[in-house]
Amino acid sequence: SNVLTQPPSVSVAPGQTASITCGGSNIASKILHWYQQRPGQAPVLVIFDDSDRPPGIPERFSGSNSGNMATLTISRVEAGDEADYYCQVWDTDTDFWVFGGGTKLTVL
Amino acid sequence: QVQLQESGPGLVTASETLSLTCSVSGVSISSYYWSWVRQPAGKGLEWIGRISVDGITNFSPSLTTRVTMSVDTSKNQVSLKLRAVTAADTAVYYCAKYGNVKGGFDLWGQGTLVTVSS
Repeated sequence: SNVLTQPPSVSVAPGQTASITCGGSNIASKILHWYQQRPGQAPVLVIFDDSDRPPGIPERFSGSNSGNMATLTISRVEAGDEADYYCQVWDTDTDFWVFGGGTKLTVL
Repeated sequence: QVQLQESGPGLVTASETLSLTCSVSGVSISSYYWSWVRQPAGKGLEWIGRISVDGITNFSPSLTTRVTMSVDTSKNQVSLKLRAVTAADTAVYYCAKYGNVKGGFDLWGQGTLVTVSS
């Protein structure tokens, strides 16, 4: 079964670029999504299908997926980007969804 | 505007059954897959299972022996039942919709906290 590994925390100064990784065996062969969860709120889809943005998500959010690592990149980080971020894939071998453990993004 | 609203008892006694309903407005449940996800306080997201209106279900291996999901097209609702609950089942429970695997969970309910008491 899939195990998705995320760093527990990432810190970045405002205006800089944050990179949040999601590691997994041959993850590039999976369709991967990213969610943002602000404190006390429900998750929100910010990237789907590795690199597409839903309507309303700023262009500052981008995604990539290659080999054994997927990356969510947030450019020109703002205070409002401070949140937990989760990656997610559909495990085609077992037919269930898998979430990464989550990464807390702190804006310094 | 599409909205999802979870509802159900906020307190459940250990060993009994947790029952939640997700009421969907603004779209027919027939057109999508529906998932339940839970999150214990201070922890990450855990997928519970999914259901489609034509009865396709898949559940997390860790919960499959205790979970039931159903849909009521007349009420446009999706339901979750989790049997034999313990304190470890205390969490915020979310329902979420998706059209297919490629699109991700594009809409979530606000979540509902369920506490299991002994």
